[in-house]
Amino acid sequence: DTEVTQTPKHLVMGMTNKKSLKCEQHMGHRAMYWYKQKAKKPPELMFVYSYEKLSINESVPSRFSPECPNSSLLNLHLHALQPEDSALYLCASSQVGRDPYNEQFFGPGTRLTVL
Amino acid sequence: GDSVTQMEGPVTLSEEAFLTINCTYTATGYPSLFWYVQYPGEGLQLLLKATKADDKGSNKGFEATYRKETTSFHLEKGSVQVSDSAVYFCALSDRGGQLTFGSGTQLTVLP
Repeated sequence: DTEVTQTPKHLVMGMTNKKSLKCEQHMGHRAMYWYKQKAKKPPELMFVYSYEKLSINESVPSRFSPECPNSSLLNLHLHALQPEDSALYLCASSQVGRDPYNEQFFGPGTRLTVL
Repeated sequence: GDSVTQMEGPVTLSEEAFLTINCTYTATGYPSLFWYVQYPGEGLQLLLKATKADDKGSNKGFEATYRKETTSFHLEKGSVQVSDSAVYFCALSDRGGQLTFGSGTQLTVLP
């Protein structure tokens, strides 16, 4: 199984809502990533988890709260978002290590719209 | 720091035309190089990769060669199809394993 799955596929939320994005992989990867992608732009790294511990936070606002409950799952909790947070949110996974050969496998993304 | 410079788009070609999308990089070490493709409404898919100088990555008729002397990893395909219409991202991965992406090139292939 070389697939990363993400749910939901689409999400519309108001600025006062709380919602969560979910990501799952069963490739035995111990590094998982959240990216944000605006239209016609490359993905921007948000968070990296390594062995279920947060290793990189790219100065992301606290209204985004990541969680890695186990080695296969990655969540992104959303609260009090702004309309400018509307984007495609991509999850990825890879082997761990300082090895540049470790390619990242991406999920299909969650299209988020904040009203 | 590391950076990837990618050919500006959009690129519009007729079916069966030859495709080249230029990509050059700057890195302090010996990165791995990747081409990712993003079809409309979807996530990124790895198209091909090369992990050392002179390696050639290939997949689905696409090819790219890791050229250390010119710090380049140009994407080529001899005969494009309508189904190749997508956004193509060149990327590198350094010793830390993080990806640095180019700006992306939108390809449209007309029948």
